[in-house]
Amino acid sequence: AQTVTQSQPEMSVQEAETVTLSCTYDTSENNYYLFWYKQPPSRQMILVIRQEAYKQQNATENRFSVNFQKAAKSFSLKISDSQLGDTAMYFCATIQGAQKLVFGQGTRLTINP
Amino acid sequence: KAGVTQTPRYLIKTRGQQVTLSCSPISGHRSVSWYQQTPGQGLQFLFEYFSETQRNKGNFPGRFSGRQFSNSRSEMNVSTLELGDSALYLCASSLGPGTGQETQYFGPGTRLLVL
Repeated sequence: AQTVTQSQPEMSVQEAETVTLSCTYDTSENNYYLFWYKQPPSRQMILVIRQEAYKQQNATENRFSVNFQKAAKSFSLKISDSQLGDTAMYFCATIQGAQKLVFGQGTRLTINP
Repeated sequence: KAGVTQTPRYLIKTRGQQVTLSCSPISGHRSVSWYQQTPGQGLQFLFEYFSETQRNKGNFPGRFSGRQFSNSRSEMNVSTLELGDSALYLCASSLGPGTGQETQYFGPGTRLLVL
């Protein structure tokens, strides 16, 4: 079975700083996808970034980028120039077979003014 | 393009009752997945439907069921509600298998409180 582990329950940084959220996963599949979702206080789950395992190049979306280390099964999220609106729970997830997302426990990120 | 919609947004029920939640996927998406989110258990997969067929089911009792209609809209039903069923129920849609587009997009969720 696939598992996803986020070892940082909470993080807090100042606005405009850079922050990195950690995620490790375990899978026996060869081709898979990895995701970061954010869930602000509204509880709406929003896709931040996705990575296909067969792609060596790390995905980037504006201020968000990942460090994907396939051999180490590591998938960290870097947020540059953090903004107050980035305050949210962040979930790392991988997809298993028939559209089943497996989520980590989440990291609560607070951006302080 | 409109996002995933879920109705109702909030629901209060009492133990023993049953409840039906509805989810309308993004236009063109044919796969719908359901998740339960609680503070204690986190996000857990309930089931996934594609072309009106349940393709995958999570580790939940038979009181949890669902279905998908020909227009890809989906409903989930919980019978004989228990206090522990209080949760945020999230629906997500994607294009479906074989499309190379495995990304799931989520609706706003239905908050269910069982008293």
